Amino acid sequence: AAGVIQSPRHLIKEKRETATLKCYPIPRHDTVYWYQQGPGQDPQFLISFYEKMQSDKGSIPDRFSAQQFSDYHSELNMSSLELGDSALYFCASSLARGAYEQYFGPGTRLTVT
Amino acid sequence: SQKIEQNSEALNIQEGKTATLTCNYTNYSPAYLQWYRQDPGRGPVFLLLIRENEKEKRKERLKVTFDTTLKQSLFHITASQPADSATYLCALETNRDDKIIFGKGTRLHILP
Repeated sequence: AAGVIQSPRHLIKEKRETATLKCYPIPRHDTVYWYQQGPGQDPQFLISFYEKMQSDKGSIPDRFSAQQFSDYHSELNMSSLELGDSALYFCASSLARGAYEQYFGPGTRLTVT
Repeated sequence: SQKIEQNSEALNIQEGKTATLTCNYTNYSPAYLQWYRQDPGRGPVFLLLIRENEKEKRKERLKVTFDTTLKQSLFHITASQPADSATYLCALETNRDDKIIFGKGTRLHILP
């Protein structure tokens, strides 16, 4: 069965650089969520999209932006990277908004040096 | 302030026994609550979802309860196996929107 695809799997950037993370949800899933997970931490909700529109926002820094495209894939753009942005970034998709399970991708490990 | 608490950072259980994990929340009125399993370096894997009008949900060796009066969910693994060792996260939606909050997780170790 198709799963959530994230690319790249690993990314190394320097401070003040820009990074773009991509997420391809499971086919027919119209809701996408982005999470940031630091070492030993729980996943922190960043932002979600439903039907290509932003549906909710969590602790996403102003330096980050995201969007969902017409094919439902989503991109998380991160600018002016800081050392503290080093983390695992997960994308999850669900069949719809609300009480539906989320299927998580394998994550992108971002290291900022 | 609003928060989710999972009973302990780590829990050691003897193989074959029932493991019980606790998730308490304050100042939320979630319509549903979810439990996920996470292995190191991997994304969380969905296990069970329970709605506010459901008292209990089962799936194979897993059982979840949801007490909206106590603001608590219990997650049980019966006949535990070493392969059940992982971090278990509870998650709930806040304010009846799409914002999902995770607890810090409980690291469960099933001892052979």
